[in-house]
Amino acid sequence: GAGVSQSPSNKVTEKGKDVELRCDPISGHTALYWYRQSLGQGLEFLIYFQGNSAPDKSGLPSDRFSAERTGGSVSTLTIQRTQQEDSAVYLCASSFSRERNEQFFGPGTRLTVL
Amino acid sequence: GQNIDQPTEMTATEGAIVQINCTYQTSGFNGLFWYQQHAGEAPTFLSYNVLDGLEEKGRFSSFLSRSKGYSYLLLKELQMKDSASYLCAVMDSNYQLIWGAGTKLIIKP
Repeated sequence: GAGVSQSPSNKVTEKGKDVELRCDPISGHTALYWYRQSLGQGLEFLIYFQGNSAPDKSGLPSDRFSAERTGGSVSTLTIQRTQQEDSAVYLCASSFSRERNEQFFGPGTRLTVL
Repeated sequence: GQNIDQPTEMTATEGAIVQINCTYQTSGFNGLFWYQQHAGEAPTFLSYNVLDGLEEKGRFSSFLSRSKGYSYLLLKELQMKDSASYLCAVMDSNYQLIWGAGTKLIIKP
C-alpha cells in the first residue's frame, strides 16, 4: 500500500476486556515495529518483527501483551484483560529492512480503557 | 544502560533560528534519526546522520559528532507550522532504534 495503515483509529473498551489492534505495513517492508505513546510522552518500544526471524519482544510490558505477524505482512497486537494504564496511542511503523531503518509510521490507534 | 537526552521544551520566534540538541549513550551506533511529530499525529522522518558533519535539507539541517555522542537539529526561518515535537532516535548495534522523549517546540509570532 501507499503507507502504513492501522485499525481501528479509536478503540474504547472496558477494563478486563481483550482488544486487538491491526497494522498493515508498506508493501515490501520486512521490518515492523509496535510502539506505545502516552499523552505528552516519548515512544515506548513494544515489539519488533524482521522477516521470518523470531520477534524481539523485549519491550512488551507484561504477558498480557502479545503480537503476531502473519505471512510477513499484516501484524496484530493483542492486549488481554486490559487495564486503565494501557490507555495510550499505539503506533505501528515499518521499514525496508533493519539496516535501512527509516521508519514510516501509521496514524496510530488511540486506546481508551474505562 | 542506553540513554537519549534532549530538552523537554523550547520556545522560538517566527522567522528566527532554533537549535535542538540531542546527546546519547548507546550500545553501539548505526546512525541517528530526527523525526517531527505534530500534536495528535504520527512521527514523520526528517533526517538521518551516520557520518560526522552537517546534513542540510532546505530549512532543516542536522549535525552529528560521534566522538561526542552529540547531534543537533537546526531549523531556520521558523514558521508557525514548525510547532511540533522533535524526536531524536539512535540506532544501536542491534539496529534497534532508541528514542528520546522529544522536544516540544513552540513558535511564537
